[in-house]
Amino acid sequence: EDQVTQSPEALRLQEGESSSLNCSYTVSGLRGLFWYRQDPGKGPEFLFTLYSAGEEKEKERLKATLTKKESFLHITAPKPEDSATYLCAVQFRYNFNKFYFGSGTKLNVKP
Amino acid sequence: NAGVTQTPKFQVLKTGQSMTLQCAQDMNHNSMYWYRQDPGMGLRLIYYSASEGTTDKGEVPNGYNVSRLNKREFSLRLESAAPSQTSVYFCASTEGGVPGSPLHFGNGTRLTVT
Repeated sequence: EDQVTQSPEALRLQEGESSSLNCSYTVSGLRGLFWYRQDPGKGPEFLFTLYSAGEEKEKERLKATLTKKESFLHITAPKPEDSATYLCAVQFRYNFNKFYFGSGTKLNVKP
Repeated sequence: NAGVTQTPKFQVLKTGQSMTLQCAQDMNHNSMYWYRQDPGMGLRLIYYSASEGTTDKGEVPNGYNVSRLNKREFSLRLESAAPSQTSVYFCASTEGGVPGSPLHFGNGTRLTVT
């Protein structure tokens, strides 16, 4: 059973067209939820950590939010350089040494 | 600041050959990880080392072995490579034991087994 699910698998936006990516998780006892950006041929690059429902973090055009069962990555007025794959990962209290990843959302922003 | 360094960047093996993927981190992290990434399947954990001297299996350990050589280095060995092990392999590290401490990744080793 998938513990972390991301949607959509792929998203194509026009430059300036805001949207949101979703990450949902099925296991209780969240210790941390992480968002990463991955460019082609590179390793994932850390963006945010969220700990509890209601928390929000922002960085430039990106804002991450967290509820009890899902997180959203909101992209406001995206630019072509925001094109990448965005991954989320969760860490649970029952085994905080393990991180469980979703399969990612591939974002393509067209000029 | 190098972060997490993986070698080699690319490798082509024939079925049955063996090889070792090397990983080193310079952030004084306690925990280190090996993941594989395949299209549509996300990152899957092969093995991890929560601290120097310990290793544990992840989701997909079959066909792999690991060695935590010291606090900085964590290697992944394929004893007899199979085409199903064609993938991109990522090493990562984190402080360990600190709530919300993220994983830091290397840039991967792209392995093809023919």
